[in-house]
Amino acid sequence: DTEVTQTPKHLVMGMTNKKSLKCEQHMGHRAMYWYKQKAKKPPELMFVYSYEKLSINESVPSRFSPECPNSSLLNLHLHALQPEDSALYLCASSQSFRVAGTGELFFGEGSRLTVL
Amino acid sequence: RKEVEQDPGPFNVPEGATVAFNCTYSNSASQSFFWYRQDCRKEPKLLMSVYSSGNEDGRFTAQLNRASQYISLLIRDSKLSDSATYLCVVNHNYGQNFVFGPGTRLSVLP
Repeated sequence: DTEVTQTPKHLVMGMTNKKSLKCEQHMGHRAMYWYKQKAKKPPELMFVYSYEKLSINESVPSRFSPECPNSSLLNLHLHALQPEDSALYLCASSQSFRVAGTGELFFGEGSRLTVL
Repeated sequence: RKEVEQDPGPFNVPEGATVAFNCTYSNSASQSFFWYRQDCRKEPKLLMSVYSSGNEDGRFTAQLNRASQYISLLIRDSKLSDSATYLCVVNHNYGQNFVFGPGTRLSVLP
């Protein structure tokens, strides 16, 4: 079983809706990530939080808004999305790079988003 | 040139075959290397970290050649359950920038 939990597993939303994806981990990791994955493509990095601060934003449109309320939680707020935003959204965590040796990424099962 | 490149695939092999995957990376500052497998419509899962001395886990062997900036994964005695997409992942400077290769699809046939 994955130690990174994502909800919801599936989400269908209209272009005017506001929704949120949630992610939780209890491994004590201090780096958390959002990735977007389209069919037959590798995961594409969106955001990274390190010690609850946004450290990487890969030029993601403002209709995606990340939030890290505490070291265990990561949210992705969605507003005014487009049909091309339909994808699998993956949350991941890792030991922070401040720890000697980098840790691998642990992924949640993903939230499959469909924008109508 | 892409930062991480892999064999385009797909690889279709019979059960019991040995199959090798290749991966090259362009950033010489890369420090950590991983192989992940991803089943259809599932999340990527860590298969192996790749160490400079090479490492083996059962039927799986990973090798790293820093001079050539090349990583490999060898699967021996392949099983039907090995069918998946194999992703080469490279991390720079122990930071948070994990770069994924495009993946190579493997189908093991009965």
